[in-house]
Amino acid sequence: TQLLEQSPQFLSIQEGENLTVYCNSSSVFSSLQWYRQEPGEGPVLLVTVVTGGEVKKLKRLTFQFGDARKDSSLHITAAQPGDTGLYLCAGTGGGADGLTFGKGTHLIIQP
Amino acid sequence: ETGVTQTPRHLVMGMTNKKSLKCEQHLGHNAMYWYKQSAKKPLELMFVYNFKEQTENNSVPSRFSPECPNSSHLFLHLHTLQPEDSALYLCASSSPNGLVQETQYFGPGTRLLVL
Repeated sequence: TQLLEQSPQFLSIQEGENLTVYCNSSSVFSSLQWYRQEPGEGPVLLVTVVTGGEVKKLKRLTFQFGDARKDSSLHITAAQPGDTGLYLCAGTGGGADGLTFGKGTHLIIQP
Repeated sequence: ETGVTQTPRHLVMGMTNKKSLKCEQHLGHNAMYWYKQSAKKPLELMFVYNFKEQTENNSVPSRFSPECPNSSHLFLHLHTLQPEDSALYLCASSSPNGLVQETQYFGPGTRLLVL
């Protein structure tokens, strides 16, 4: 069974601070995806990382895939209240496989 | 609006009731999924359909019965559920190319409460 461990589970910081969320596994994944979920909504994809060592940037968000494709991180620079939400990492073997999700990180950015 | 709709958005049912959840995708995808999201647990994959054929069933109890009449519609039939089945049930769809995981688009979910 593939497991993804996310840390921290909860994070509350002030607007303008930086933060990093981690997603770790003992298994190798073909790709890792990061989703953001707001209350009352389904998860929305932020990014997919495929190549070991890959770094992708989405405005103030930087995503990295570990060299061994077992872990990933999400770094947010100068966090804003609009970044508040549940951040989920998910791994897959590819194709029409379902996703294996971590428990998520509940992020609150206080103005 | 992700192109995946789910109805109803909220459902309260007794343990002896029979109800169905509906999912419809307007994206032309060929794969559809049911996930269960409970408090303090990771999102759990329940069922996968690819080209209307069930390709995965993650040891889900038989009180949950999926149906995929065509590649745009997915149902989850519920009967004799238990209170611990209360959760957010999410539907997703994708158009996998067999090489790299394509984006899965999620619906807003059905919040289910079993009394």
